[in-house]
Amino acid sequence: NAGVIQTPRHKVTGKGQEATLWCEPISGHSAVFWYRQTIVQGLEFLTYFRNQAPIDDSGMPKERFSAQMPNQSHSTLKIQSTQPQDSAVYLCASSLRGQADYTFGSGTRLLVI
Amino acid sequence: GEQVEQLPSILRVQERSSASINCTYENSASNYFPWYKQEPGENPKLIIDIRSNMERKQIQGLIVLLDKKAKRFSLHITDTQPADSAMYFCAATPSSFSKLVFGQGTSLSVVP
Repeated sequence: NAGVIQTPRHKVTGKGQEATLWCEPISGHSAVFWYRQTIVQGLEFLTYFRNQAPIDDSGMPKERFSAQMPNQSHSTLKIQSTQPQDSAVYLCASSLRGQADYTFGSGTRLLVI
Repeated sequence: GEQVEQLPSILRVQERSSASINCTYENSASNYFPWYKQEPGENPKLIIDIRSNMERKQIQGLIVLLDKKAKRFSLHITDTQPADSAMYFCAATPSSFSKLVFGQGTSLSVVP
């Protein structure tokens, strides 16, 4: 079991560029969650999918952030026109039953300069 | 929605003493309360959890208490060791297949 795999581990982008982050959930897990972690805001919920369908995107900044789950083996988080305030660690988690199996990936550390 | 408050934000204890972290929540429908430990550069890892049908749960040196009336839950680490030094996050959720709402985190330092 390789756990939740996130790529890349680190990404540096220039202000205004696009960033795409990838997440491969644990095989067989039906729920995928995206969180953003910063020192100031802590762990903030962004969005989640269940059986590939978007369920709750209440934490997503609507204008520049989007997420997809085209198949059960991966999800992507795309940030258009990145801004310095988007700099954070983006964590993906997957869950079999929705609670006790909430396993986080190692995260993607995004730096926007 | 749900909001979770976690205190203290910084905690420093002597090795072999106890450490306590407290969290409060707002949504009385919340029924699942996990605790995560995050070491520097690592992802958060689930260390213990409690459901609303319980008041106390212990796994080795970790004790979680839940007071539903007060909407408060706490983590107690007994006989702390330097390896317990890390960030600790509490969380709450009202239902299965729902987002976890996290507290702000507690930075625990266990000093010799």
